[in-house]
Amino acid sequence: NAGVTQTPKFRVLKTGQSMTLLCAQDMNHEYMYWYRQDPGMGLRLIHYSVGEGTTAKGEVPDGYNVSRLKKQNFLLGLESAAPSQTSVYFCASRDTHPTGGYTFGSGTRLTVV
Amino acid sequence: AQKITQTQPGMFVQEKEAVTLDCTYDTSDPSYGLFWYKQPSSGEMIFLIYQGSYDQQNATEGRYSLNFQKARKSANLVISASQLGDSAMYFCAVGRGFKTIFGAGTRLFVKA
Repeated sequence: NAGVTQTPKFRVLKTGQSMTLLCAQDMNHEYMYWYRQDPGMGLRLIHYSVGEGTTAKGEVPDGYNVSRLKKQNFLLGLESAAPSQTSVYFCASRDTHPTGGYTFGSGTRLTVV
Repeated sequence: AQKITQTQPGMFVQEKEAVTLDCTYDTSDPSYGLFWYKQPSSGEMIFLIYQGSYDQQNATEGRYSLNFQKARKSANLVISASQLGDSAMYFCAVGRGFKTIFGAGTRLFVKA
């Protein structure tokens, strides 16, 4: 099925470890986003990309890095995980039409101990 | 800065009845979009409906309609003929692209 695929779905990290979350979309969307969801706070934007080779910071970028080497992939990296990064991470994409809502991946539940 | 308020942390509705989920927002942008998303217990986020700030008519998508009152800066979601499968978290969002922000959500419980 067409859509946004996130891997992994679950992960437990120790403080200080690093990891990369992968997001892949097959809808040829230009725009891709990484959000984190914390209880009672809705979704907050970490980083986003408006096209291949471009990235920009969102509302809460500290402690994260991203790359978009290919149009279909958007990677989120945590260089040195902290307990404050325990969250559910969502990748989303959308096309350039302004009326289009996001298509979200199924999320990654990350716990940092 | 943009801000969204969803004042109802939890709502109950009887199956087959209609329910309104409230959303108010504050933005200084002259043009913006309003969105509603559904998050079932399985965790995925599902796009439901969109309304543009300059659209004259309220948006509808099947059983979902968006009651948009621009002067009051409100964009309430109306679900008609509620079904058990409508039990979920519902998020209101406002903005465009990377400027989109999300509310904290309303949890809807549909009773049989």
